[in-house]
Amino acid sequence: AQSVTQPDIHITVSEGASLELRCNYSYGATPYLFWYVQSPGQGLQLLLKYFSGDTLVQGIKGFEAEFKRSQSSFNLRKPSVHWSDAAEYFCAVGAPGTASKLTFGTGTRLQVTL
Amino acid sequence: DVKVTQSSRYLVKRTGEKVFLECVQDMDHENMFWYRQDPGLGLRLIYFSYDVKMKEKGDIPEGYSVSREKKERFSLILESASTNQTSMYLCASSPTGVGNIQYFGAGTRLSVL
Repeated sequence: AQSVTQPDIHITVSEGASLELRCNYSYGATPYLFWYVQSPGQGLQLLLKYFSGDTLVQGIKGFEAEFKRSQSSFNLRKPSVHWSDAAEYFCAVGAPGTASKLTFGTGTRLQVTL
Repeated sequence: DVKVTQSSRYLVKRTGEKVFLECVQDMDHENMFWYRQDPGLGLRLIYFSYDVKMKEKGDIPEGYSVSREKKERFSLILESASTNQTSMYLCASSPTGVGNIQYFGAGTRLSVL
């Protein structure tokens, strides 16, 4: 069975600084990988996804993530954080052919200071 | 845009009550899911359904049941609510064959007193 680890529970960055959120997964083959964002009191919104091909994927709101098979990682990055990026971020992994099931990490809460 | 609608944003119920959480999607998706979200635990899958009248247990099904009589609607039922079921409940839907992308509703925050 697949699993996801987000080692950072809480991260604080200054507005305008760069951001990297870590995600490590466990799966025997190449999985589907996702980052979702949840603003306070809201549902989850898809930021970006990786299925195959180019290991650097671009998402909405200026986010990108890089799939590194050798490290079993899919870290999320943004070069310059805005105050509106404050939210909780979830990494998720899916196994092809499993009726769209996903396994989520425990989330990283991002705080942005002005 | 895909729309997943959860009927209530906030619910307050008493211990022992039967509780229904409703979820409707408008994109003809085959798959639907119920999660609960608790601080520090992320999202945990309660039940999912891959077709009308079909359901499978997720990781934490105890104390819950589900119903899917129509393709667009997936209901989560707490037969006898308990205080440890106080949580945020999230519904999601997903089309088959599109890489497991799930689309989420806004969530229902349930308090059981």
